[in-house]
Amino acid sequence: NAGVMQNPRHLVRRRGQEARLRCSPMKGHSHVYWYRQLPEEGLKFMVYLQKENIIDESGMPKERFSAEFPKEGPSILRIQQVVRGDSAAYFCASSGTGIGYGYTFGSGTRLTVV
Amino acid sequence: ELKVEQNPLFLSMQEGKNYTIYCNYSTTSDRLYWYRQDPGKSLESLFVLLSNGAVKQEGRLMASLDTKARLSTLHITAAVHDLSATYFCAVVLNSGGSNYKLTFGKGTLLTVNP
Repeated sequence: NAGVMQNPRHLVRRRGQEARLRCSPMKGHSHVYWYRQLPEEGLKFMVYLQKENIIDESGMPKERFSAEFPKEGPSILRIQQVVRGDSAAYFCASSGTGIGYGYTFGSGTRLTVV
Repeated sequence: ELKVEQNPLFLSMQEGKNYTIYCNYSTTSDRLYWYRQDPGKSLESLFVLLSNGAVKQEGRLMASLDTKARLSTLHITAAVHDLSATYFCAVVLNSGGSNYKLTFGKGTLLTVNP
């Protein structure tokens, strides 16, 4: 039973390029969350999605960042025109439903902007 | 806004000793998580605490929750080197429609020395 799959594990982009991060939730999970971890910081919530719906994007920067979770395929976090400050680890988590559910995190994508 | 504070942020212990990590949070919540993160890795779920007075134990780790004091503790008994990692607590706000968003503490970097 595969866990949350994220790819790529490491991504290097030059300033101004686009970064696409992918996340496939655990089998049976329909809720996907993206978190960002800056160096020596805790994780910060970015966005919560269900299939074809963005439920809460209150943690997303207003510009250059977008997320989707299509009916078919993985969830995508897209960062356009990356800047050095976007360098971070981006984690995806998925969950089932009901009180007390746990969140399963993927291995993360470490984005480095050069 | 929910704030989560962990202390200490850095903890160096000798093998065989006991210690406690504290997690305080600022507003009402009845769902608290503890995670472990090894360098460059994802977050591993340790405990989910759902109610006041909840206590859970796994091996040398024991977590408890006091919702009235807004405090959780992670107690380490007879530490071993394998426990060296960063430990995060995370809290879910249980009102205002955001009962899915994890708010993380900054983490406690635990180093267990021989």
